[in-house]
Amino acid sequence: NAGVTQTPKFRVLKTGQSMTLLCAQDMNHEYMYWYRQDPGMGLRLIHYSVGEGTTAKGEVPDGYNVSRLKKQNFLLGLESAAPSQTSVYFCASKTRNEGAVYNEQFFGPGTRLTVL
Amino acid sequence: AQKVTQAQTEISVVEKEDVTLDCVYETRDTTYYLFWYKQPPSGELVFLIRRNSFDEQNEISGRYSWNFQKSTSSFNFTITASQVVDSAVYFCALSMDSSYKLIFGSGTRLLVRP
Repeated sequence: NAGVTQTPKFRVLKTGQSMTLLCAQDMNHEYMYWYRQDPGMGLRLIHYSVGEGTTAKGEVPDGYNVSRLKKQNFLLGLESAAPSQTSVYFCASKTRNEGAVYNEQFFGPGTRLTVL
Repeated sequence: AQKVTQAQTEISVVEKEDVTLDCVYETRDTTYYLFWYKQPPSGELVFLIRRNSFDEQNEISGRYSWNFQKSTSSFNFTITASQVVDSAVYFCALSMDSSYKLIFGSGTRLLVRP
């Protein structure tokens, strides 16, 4: 099992460019999440999905779009990148809890994005 | 509102000292989960512990221990006999609805000096 993988690992964009970050998990998890990490602010939730074909906004969704067309993939899109979107992006996935058993979120290794 | 506060931005200790990282949370939910994650310099997030709101027992795992007190809405983390390898950023997090999304604190950077 590869767990949660993120593509690319690093990327530099110019203001106004677009790009898509790919998150893939091979654990058949229902829930997937995109967080961003900025210095001094911890991780903040951008968007999440509780199942294939569904997405929802998190705490900081502006400037981002997401899609979950396949259960194993969760894409994060930046239509017109801005310097404020310079950050480290983490994807996570989780399976449903089973009764009293709480199943943890598994995090990917992160994508470091710089917008010039 | 749901919120996690880690008031200690940075802590520096000498190896073998004990250190406690503070975490205070806010939620109106009666069912919630609290977590600690470690982020070493390599950048990945490492899960350390989960505690649910109905279990106030303290937990010890080797040199690590956690003190959960609902009365003060705190979930503090103590490292006993710290080691250089403990140097990392530590995050406390809260989860309390059916989406299981995590609300993170701003993190505490721990530096353990030899």
